[in-house]
Amino acid sequence: AQSVTQPDIHITVSEGASLELRCNYSYGATPYLFWYVQSPGQGLQLLLKYFSGDTLVQGIKGFEAEFKRSQSSFNLRKPSVHWSDAAEYFCAVGGVGQAGTALIFGKGTTLSVSS
Amino acid sequence: DSGVTQTPKHLITATGQRVTLRCSPRSGDLSVYWYQQSLDQGLQFLIQYYNGEERAKGNILERFSAQQFPDLHSELNLSSLELGDSALYFCASSVGGGDPRNTEAFFGQGTRLTVV
Repeated sequence: AQSVTQPDIHITVSEGASLELRCNYSYGATPYLFWYVQSPGQGLQLLLKYFSGDTLVQGIKGFEAEFKRSQSSFNLRKPSVHWSDAAEYFCAVGGVGQAGTALIFGKGTTLSVSS
Repeated sequence: DSGVTQTPKHLITATGQRVTLRCSPRSGDLSVYWYQQSLDQGLQFLIQYYNGEERAKGNILERFSAQQFPDLHSELNLSSLELGDSALYFCASSVGGGDPRNTEAFFGQGTRLTVV
């Protein structure tokens, strides 16, 4: 079945440490890939997107993600986490199946930042 | 600020009732999407409208319906409400059109619906 998997429900990282959030998708073709962030009580904000081309994409707030076709992955990274990065992060795919241009989301990963 | 406006922000209603959620897309966006976010189901796509026409359907219940008006604002109607319909309902908008790259969506703040 078509799906987006975020294996980690909750991650805690020390402030200043590096971060990697995992995302895997299961679609036949390469979908369009996104990472969104949701702060408590807020809507979703786009961090970055991948359509084609360079497999390492840069986003806002110092985040980057790398698309690896062989692993069907699109992991999100940040070299040094700040306390304000504590939020819920969603990986999403678009342009697949009957959903058309709608986004299919993973279950999300909650990031906590410890001091 | 994403430019997508949703009203109301909060809604409390009783089981069996009907409510209407409203969404104004970003200026220039023709596509409107509705999503439901709940603890058990996560973020689920409900339905998409593009320039007034229904474009795609996701996991939308028959008790739910939506429409997009000529001024491009959209409404999501939820009827015969059940306790399980309590959730955060998001509207998102995008440029739309036939290019799948127009999947970049901008989300509103959501409407939190509580059914009691």
